[in-house]
Amino acid sequence: DAGVTQSPTHLIKTRGQHVTLRCSPISGHKSVSWYQQVLGQGPQFIFQYYEKEERGRGNFPDRFSARQFPNYSSELNVNALLLGDSALYLCASSLGTGMYTQYFGPGTRLTVL
Amino acid sequence: RKEVEQDPGPFNVPEGATVAFNCTYSNSASQSFFWYRQDCRKEPKLLMSVYSSGNEDGRFTAQLNRASQYISLLIRDSKLSDSATYLCVAVMDSNYQLIWGAGTKLIIKP
Repeated sequence: DAGVTQSPTHLIKTRGQHVTLRCSPISGHKSVSWYQQVLGQGPQFIFQYYEKEERGRGNFPDRFSARQFPNYSSELNVNALLLGDSALYLCASSLGTGMYTQYFGPGTRLTVL
Repeated sequence: RKEVEQDPGPFNVPEGATVAFNCTYSNSASQSFFWYRQDCRKEPKLLMSVYSSGNEDGRFTAQLNRASQYISLLIRDSKLSDSATYLCVAVMDSNYQLIWGAGTKLIIKP
């Protein structure tokens, strides 16, 4: 079975641009979570979606938004990019919210110049 | 104070040795904990869950100490392939969000 997939794997943008990152969860998983990981730090929670509804939001500005589609795939959008948005963006899927184990995709490495 | 704290290391350990590191958490309402390992420039991968009774999986043992609010990871007979960053995760009971530590870097030397 395919694991969590993310696209693109790498991305270079300039300040002020916007970006859309995509994630496909493991088949049968209905929850997707997004994380930002800066070098040397642990992942920081951005959003969690379950059954197309937002179930949790971390401490990120409104420039960050996300949605989940009927097939449970998800997009993370970031507007007005800042240099500090450069990071590895990880998507994790799980059967549901709560105590379910999260499985991570390979991530999208975003560089903002 | 960070919600989940780990010694960043690196821990330099000879192959075959036993190594242990801890992770402290500040929210006593946290009910579940996990250890993930992350290789350089890769995604985190689940190593093991940590419940009240602790957990053992082969060479790896995880323990939970609620009184002192820390979890530990013990690796016996360490292998070169154990070299990685080990991330501690606490699940917040109120909203099921995962709070991550910054990780402990482990280097196993031949």
